[in-house]
Amino acid sequence: GNSVTQMEGPVTLSEEAFLTINCTYTATGYPSLFWYVQYPGEGLQLLLKATKADDKGSNKGFEATYRKETTSFHLEKGSVQVSDSAVYFCALRLGGSNYKLTFGKGTLLTVNP
Amino acid sequence: GAGVSQTPSNKVTEKGKYVELRCDPISGHTALYWYRQSLGQGPEFLIYFQGTGAADDSGLPNDRFFAVRPEGSVSTLKIQRTERGDSAVYLCASSLRSGASGVYEQYFGPGTRLTVT
Repeated sequence: GNSVTQMEGPVTLSEEAFLTINCTYTATGYPSLFWYVQYPGEGLQLLLKATKADDKGSNKGFEATYRKETTSFHLEKGSVQVSDSAVYFCALRLGGSNYKLTFGKGTLLTVNP
Repeated sequence: GAGVSQTPSNKVTEKGKYVELRCDPISGHTALYWYRQSLGQGPEFLIYFQGTGAADDSGLPNDRFFAVRPEGSVSTLKIQRTERGDSAVYLCASSLRSGASGVYEQYFGPGTRLTVT
């Protein structure tokens, strides 16, 4: 079946540190890949996405590249801020008219000043 | 504009009781989804509505769970004879539509935290 495996947390960094959260997936066909972020007390928000191999999604300084050969979609940011503290979820959606999102377990990121 | 809203934000109930969780989607969104997020897990799909009908309820764990969307807007997730294992955050999401014409971004509500004691 389809699944997403992401780096277990929690991850604690100092402000301006480099961030990587690993995500790998198993899927039939060619899924679209997503990173969602959940800030404390808020709903899940789409952070970035990529719909085909070698696409790079980017938003708010975060980036992730769809790597078909390694079935990965690692999230990176060059310099994190305290305001980036949140839970990050990697997710996939199969192609065509499929609407179901399959999520990883989430990674809690805490950034200290 | 207003996002997806869910009420209540927290619900504590006793084992065996009946609960209803409400979702107000973004105005104009015809597609609505329910997910369940257990502690330490990512959200898992429960059910999808396109308009008033449940187009896919394959994620509902058993027949104690039921959801309705009678007028194609507000949806209610209903859980009968609650069990402690039902304790989770129930998330609702909506989108413009899904289907052969395209799959649109899902916007999530803040969730309802259900605790069954």
